[in-house]
Amino acid sequence: EAGVAQSPRYKIIEKRQSVAFWCNPISGHATLYWYQQILGQGPKLLIQFQNNGVVDDSQLPKDRFSAERLKGVDSTLKIQPAKLEDSAVYLCASSLGAAGANVLTFGAGSRLTVL
Amino acid sequence: GESVGLHLPTLSVQEGDNSIINCAYSNSASDYFIWYKQESGKGPQFIIDIRSNMDKRQGQRVTVLLNKTVKHLSLQIAATQPGDSAVYFCAENSAPRANNLFFGTGTRLTVIP
Repeated sequence: EAGVAQSPRYKIIEKRQSVAFWCNPISGHATLYWYQQILGQGPKLLIQFQNNGVVDDSQLPKDRFSAERLKGVDSTLKIQPAKLEDSAVYLCASSLGAAGANVLTFGAGSRLTVL
Repeated sequence: GESVGLHLPTLSVQEGDNSIINCAYSNSASDYFIWYKQESGKGPQFIIDIRSNMDKRQGQRVTVLLNKTVKHLSLQIAATQPGDSAVYFCAENSAPRANNLFFGTGTRLTVIP
């Protein structure tokens, strides 16, 4: 099966600019996640969707970050305005979504550098 | 919030030796644990998982041990190969039956040929 697709792979912007990342999960996976991975750290959950509804966005900096999954498939994560500390890899993952333990399948990530 | 940590940030082993990567967790309510491998420039890749009602689970060349008494998780890799060189993360679910995962800092494994 095809994996989780993300784009762009790399993005360099200046602070206060905006950026958007796109994710296409594995077909049939109801749950989609966005994680932020700062260099040298483990991934940190930003937001979790179940179909097109938000399950958990408690760690999302809502003053600058937004995410949507309008049709319950693809998702977009936006940052506006970007700060230097937003430099990180943004990982999208998906899972079947049944309650309980589920293996998350990750995409390759989108690396953001904010200058 | 709860933390998942690792005892050693780096580990170097000789090719062919066994590797043991350790992880401590603090959320006693977690009921699902998972190990991921992350190679440079790639997303985390699933290795093996274990539920809290188990103490041990084996896969191909890998074994995960769970000690709930001391909240400790370990990943054993048998006959370590150069392709095993990567950063290894342990993760736990944030609450029983929750789908999202809370990751530790990671351990970098380097296999010396």
